[in-house]
Amino acid sequence: DAGVIQSPRHEVTEMGQEVTLRCKPISGHNSLFWYRQTMMRGLELLIYFNNNVPIDDSGMPEDRFSAKMPNASFSTLKIQPSEPRDSAVYFCASLLTRLEDSNQPQHFGDGTRLSIL
Amino acid sequence: ILNVEQSPQSLHVQEGDSTNFTCSFPSSNFYALHWYRWETAKSPEALFVMTLNGDEKKKGRISATLNTKEGYSYLYIKGSQPEDSATYLCASPGDYKLSFGAGTTVTVRA
Repeated sequence: DAGVIQSPRHEVTEMGQEVTLRCKPISGHNSLFWYRQTMMRGLELLIYFNNNVPIDDSGMPEDRFSAKMPNASFSTLKIQPSEPRDSAVYFCASLLTRLEDSNQPQHFGDGTRLSIL
Repeated sequence: ILNVEQSPQSLHVQEGDSTNFTCSFPSSNFYALHWYRWETAKSPEALFVMTLNGDEKKKGRISATLNTKEGYSYLYIKGSQPEDSATYLCASPGDYKLSFGAGTTVTVRA
């Protein structure tokens, strides 16, 4: 089992540039989550997909952030334009079932460390 | 968003000693409590998912108990080892979110 795969592992870019983070969930998992980790806020949920459909995107900070899940094996989180305050580690996680069927743990990717200069 | 709280925020323990810390969560509409272990520069790793009041789970030297009526869970580490140093997160699902506590950071001193 390859686990949740995120790319890139690290990204450094200048403010104003578009940033695209990628995630491949575990095969067969039908829920996917994007999280952001910062020193100030800890681990915060940005968006939750189930069967490729966004269920809750209330954690997406503003219109500069967007997420898509075009199929069951791929999701992107895009920031356009990026700002220095977006610097954080972004994690993707997948879950075998819906979050509400909650006897399963989430499986996290290794994260993308994003630095906006 | 559920209010999930963990205490203490951090603790230091001598190698070989045992320790425990707390996660509290709303007891109403409860249906699960997750524990994750998060090492620096790595991703959170699932330890336990607990659903039943009185449940107790064990993984090696780490165990957890659950009290859903009063809304708390304890995580125990028996005979701490340096490799147990990590941040331990608890989380509870609700309102389509998995709400995480801020974590307890455990540092085991050799």
